[in-house]
Amino acid sequence: DTGVSQNPRHKITKRGQNVTFRCDPISEHNRLYWYRQTLGQGPEFLTYFQNEAQLEKSRLLSDRFSAERPKGSFSTLEIQRTEQGDSAMYLCASSFGSYNSPLHFGNGTRLTVT
Amino acid sequence: AQKITQTQPGMFVQEKEAVTLDCTYDTSDQSYGLFWYKQPSSGEMIFLIYQGSYDEQNATEGRYSLNFQKARKSANLVISASQLGDSAMYFCAMSLGSGGSNYKLTFGKGTLLTVNP
Repeated sequence: DTGVSQNPRHKITKRGQNVTFRCDPISEHNRLYWYRQTLGQGPEFLTYFQNEAQLEKSRLLSDRFSAERPKGSFSTLEIQRTEQGDSAMYLCASSFGSYNSPLHFGNGTRLTVT
Repeated sequence: AQKITQTQPGMFVQEKEAVTLDCTYDTSDQSYGLFWYKQPSSGEMIFLIYQGSYDEQNATEGRYSLNFQKARKSANLVISASQLGDSAMYFCAMSLGSGGSNYKLTFGKGTLLTVNP
């Protein structure tokens, strides 16, 4: 178990640019989740995949956000035309998807939009 | 909609003492799961303990125990024999679904615990 890996750890970008984050889940896990965390708040759910299927998206995920999980392995989260309000920690997690299986989180990607 | 409330923005405890972190939840579902996570300054979310809504016994994991009072809709975390390394942000979270299947965890705002030497 090598844990959930996220890249990059930090990303600074100018407003209007596109950014893409990558998440490599624990290999045996079939569920993958994206969360966003702003300063002083708990993580907020964005979207989740079961294998390669994206099963739910939060209202927080505007049209500028897109997530993919090709072949049910790693996942990418892309933000187009970034805005300063997108500045946050983006957390990825994975799990077995059984009823008492906890989510295992990565270290997150901290995005700063200037 | 489900909601998690953590009313203590910050807590202080002396090393080796026990501390209770409060969590109340609101849901009309009968099946749900309750989780506690620790987030040190490094940022990683570390799973601590899980309690299912149908579990009759309070969950325990080492120095962590969950004081589950279903009628009061509370799921307080008790940390015994606090250590300096316990200083971190602690989040209570809930999932809904049959058997408490854990997707779309809803988190509280967290409690910052500081352990004093």
